[in-house]
Amino acid sequence: GNSVTQMEGPVTLSEEAFLTINCTYTATGYPSLFWYVQYPGEGLQLLLKATKADDKGSNKGFEATYRKETTSFHLEKGSVQVSDSAVYFCALSERGQGAQKLVFGQGTRLTINP
Amino acid sequence: DTEVTQTPKHLVMGMTNKKSLKCEQHMGHRAMYWYKQKAKKPPELMFVYSYEKLSINESVPSRFSPECPNSSLLNLHLHALQPEDSALYLCASSQEGLASEQFFGPGTRLTVL
Repeated sequence: GNSVTQMEGPVTLSEEAFLTINCTYTATGYPSLFWYVQYPGEGLQLLLKATKADDKGSNKGFEATYRKETTSFHLEKGSVQVSDSAVYFCALSERGQGAQKLVFGQGTRLTINP
Repeated sequence: DTEVTQTPKHLVMGMTNKKSLKCEQHMGHRAMYWYKQKAKKPPELMFVYSYEKLSINESVPSRFSPECPNSSLLNLHLHALQPEDSALYLCASSQEGLASEQFFGPGTRLTVL
């Protein structure tokens, strides 16, 4: 079946550092790819997405490019802030029994120190 | 309105109690989801409703009973739960289509004593 693998956390960085969170996937066909973020005490919210190869999703300074050749969707940000501290989930979308199913990676907890 | 609301925010129940979780959205989404999330883990899909019909049941124990009274509401009825069912229960909704974003509610924190 389809699967998503994220880099192990937790990740701790200083403010203004460069961030990369690795995500690779295994899937039949060409799924849509997502990054969701979960702030403490909240539900998940979409950070960005890409629906086809070479698409770049971007939002709030975060970027990720859909790389078919390496089956990857790495999340990057050039200068992180304390407010970026959260858990980040990479996910792909697959069809199951007539409905969309999200397959999540394990999540990467990010802490940004001032 | 791009919000999914869930009530209650917190729930403590005994193993013999019956309780219900409620989820509501007014975005016109025809797909609605229940997830269970344990600490430091990703959400696990439980149920999917599409056009008010149950499309996916991920082999969830019968002590969890979903209900979709109309296109805006989703309930999860709980009965005879076990302590290991304690978790954050998340509701989500989306448009149809594999590229669609799922909008998540803030969740109900459930504790089973």
